[in-house]
Amino acid sequence: DTAVSQTPKYLVTQMGNDKSIKCEQNLGHDTMYWYKQDSKKFLKIMFSYNNKELIINETVPNRFSPKSPDKAHLNLHINSLELGDSAVYFCASSQIPQGGNSPLHFGNGTRLTVT
Amino acid sequence: GEDVEQSLFLSVREGDSSVINCTYTDSSSTYLYWYKQEPGAGLQLLTYIFSNMDMKQDQRLTVLLNKKDKHLSLRIADTQTGDSAIYFCAEKASSASKIIFGSGTRLSIRP
Repeated sequence: DTAVSQTPKYLVTQMGNDKSIKCEQNLGHDTMYWYKQDSKKFLKIMFSYNNKELIINETVPNRFSPKSPDKAHLNLHINSLELGDSAVYFCASSQIPQGGNSPLHFGNGTRLTVT
Repeated sequence: GEDVEQSLFLSVREGDSSVINCTYTDSSSTYLYWYKQEPGAGLQLLTYIFSNMDMKQDQRLTVLLNKKDKHLSLRIADTQTGDSAIYFCAEKASSASKIIFGSGTRLSIRP
């Protein structure tokens, strides 16, 4: 009964391709996120959705497009992949938008390698 | 701006206490967190502290907050091999809509 699950776990693809990563949470949370973790383990927020509405959109290339069909799902589509997109992408959820005593629950990550 | 800093590495002998330190810049921080990341896994919340507290203890974990110096620490008593992981400090300011993470401290345990 995984709380936050994302697929695939590993994704290897060539430059220029388009790919998607899917995320689902069964915690009943209202808010979901995408984070990017680079090779130095630095973690940076990309997007956040609350009840299917976009509430955080950091400075991310518009090749990255999140989609939230319902509050339990947040997918990430990436167009025209570049070498610099190689990283681990984490999905997370919380009861309320980054609320203090509503901590983040993370998925296990998708390791994207662009060759 | 907002910034959270941690040292990158810590090596501790098994059975000793580990102390992982973190400094932050935003004086309006309301909540401060410690997350643990094991290899190949996502971040897992260990504990958090509200800014009006100085200390929080949870079994082997002790969090100390010095709000004046904007310094947060995590002490792990009787460190075990299963504590090997990367530990992330994070903070949320009252005015911010997002949580800011530090770069993580990689804790390694030696026999």
